[in-house]
Amino acid sequence: GQNIDQPTEMTATEGAIVQINCTYQTSGFNGLFWYQQHAGEAPTFLSYNVLDGLEEKGRFSSFLSRSKGYSYLLLKELQMKDSASYLCAVIRGDYKLSFGAGTTVTVRA
Amino acid sequence: GAVVSQHPSRVICKSGTSVKIECRSLDFQATTMFWYRQFPKQSLMLMATSNEGSKATYEQGVEKDKFLINHASLTLSTLTVTSAHPEDSSFYICSARSTTTDYEQYFGPGTRLTVT
Repeated sequence: GQNIDQPTEMTATEGAIVQINCTYQTSGFNGLFWYQQHAGEAPTFLSYNVLDGLEEKGRFSSFLSRSKGYSYLLLKELQMKDSASYLCAVIRGDYKLSFGAGTTVTVRA
Repeated sequence: GAVVSQHPSRVICKSGTSVKIECRSLDFQATTMFWYRQFPKQSLMLMATSNEGSKATYEQGVEKDKFLINHASLTLSTLTVTSAHPEDSSFYICSARSTTTDYEQYFGPGTRLTVT
């Protein structure tokens, strides 16, 4: 089975940095995705990690430690438009995605 | 590239009727399509996996006779919610995996179903 945990909510100020942690216990791990989802919309792809380490992509970075079953998404220079739900998802060898419950990030001016 | 469309985007139907939702990959061929359901303030839950030309495989707890899935071509999968009830009201999202990419899935914009 899959067990994916991430915080429910986080609040930060515009221009600040926020780190969203995700821990997972899963069988058949083949990588971890981070998605952004605005209310009423489908998820949009942010990052994919399959090897340990940090992947940086503009203001967003994602880190993975397979031995610890841990990942984080780092959002830098927060903007108001970054207010959204951030979903951590693990993919198995059969290409099935299991999602965490999502972390709602609220950016305040 | 890698665009997935869903139709309709919103639908309201009466209890007891059936609703069909289409998922299309517009600029790529999709070996596999996935159907998810998302209730308010909850995450996406995988309902079923749809492979072109074969029967869909359903996740535990999802009634295959209620949620009919057809994947007739490499660019189209349909989900039919049969005899819909108010508790089926949800956000239904499909995703597609390209024949040429590895693990990435491309999500459709979702369909908001309301059953009255």
